[in-house]
Amino acid sequence: GESVGLHLPTLSVQEGDNSIINCAYSNSASDYFIWYKQESGKGPQFIIDIRSNMDKRQGQRVTVLLNKTVKHLSLQIAATQPGDSAVYFCAENDNDYKLSFGAGTTVTVRA
Amino acid sequence: SQTIHQWPATLVQPVGSPLSLECTVEGTSNPNLYWYRQAAGRGLQLLFYSVGIGQISSEVPQNLSASRPQDRQFILSSKKLLLSDSGFYLCAWSGSGGPYEQYFGPGTRLTVT
Repeated sequence: GESVGLHLPTLSVQEGDNSIINCAYSNSASDYFIWYKQESGKGPQFIIDIRSNMDKRQGQRVTVLLNKTVKHLSLQIAATQPGDSAVYFCAENDNDYKLSFGAGTTVTVRA
Repeated sequence: SQTIHQWPATLVQPVGSPLSLECTVEGTSNPNLYWYRQAAGRGLQLLFYSVGIGQISSEVPQNLSASRPQDRQFILSSKKLLLSDSGFYLCAWSGSGGPYEQYFGPGTRLTVT
């Protein structure tokens, strides 16, 4: 089974609102986590990453939060735009070379 | 800057035919290379990864194989395709060592008929 999973398969959000995408992981030894965005028919695009020695990391309009106590990862998107509509995947490292991906959350932005 | 190329972009092949998908990376040396398959509406399944020329690790038993003849070239092959081989095939690279983020190519949409 998958060691990384997402709480909800779909998320509908009003344009301009903030989005929160959640992810649970089961491997307490994982020390590196990544969020990817995949648009239809394209390869996944790196958004942001975080290592286990951090609780929070911010990028441009995105923030990743890591709660190691409950093994939970979230991606927050500020002021969601139509271009943010996509499938979002969280991933954790299985070892130094491999990543394990969750099933993905489809985000739809309503105008 | 680094770029990753995959071809072809789309492919329709009959059952039992051979397969060869190619991936090349530019702008980096000694990358880790990966082949994933993605079924429609699903997540990414790691098929193979390579940490160096001639070094291939297989993740899932199947009728596919991978080769790395050059440092920045990764090839996915099959001698005889099955219907279940249909999917979206993605190549990715990361820096050597790790763990580091992986960067994905544009993908190949394979339909086996």
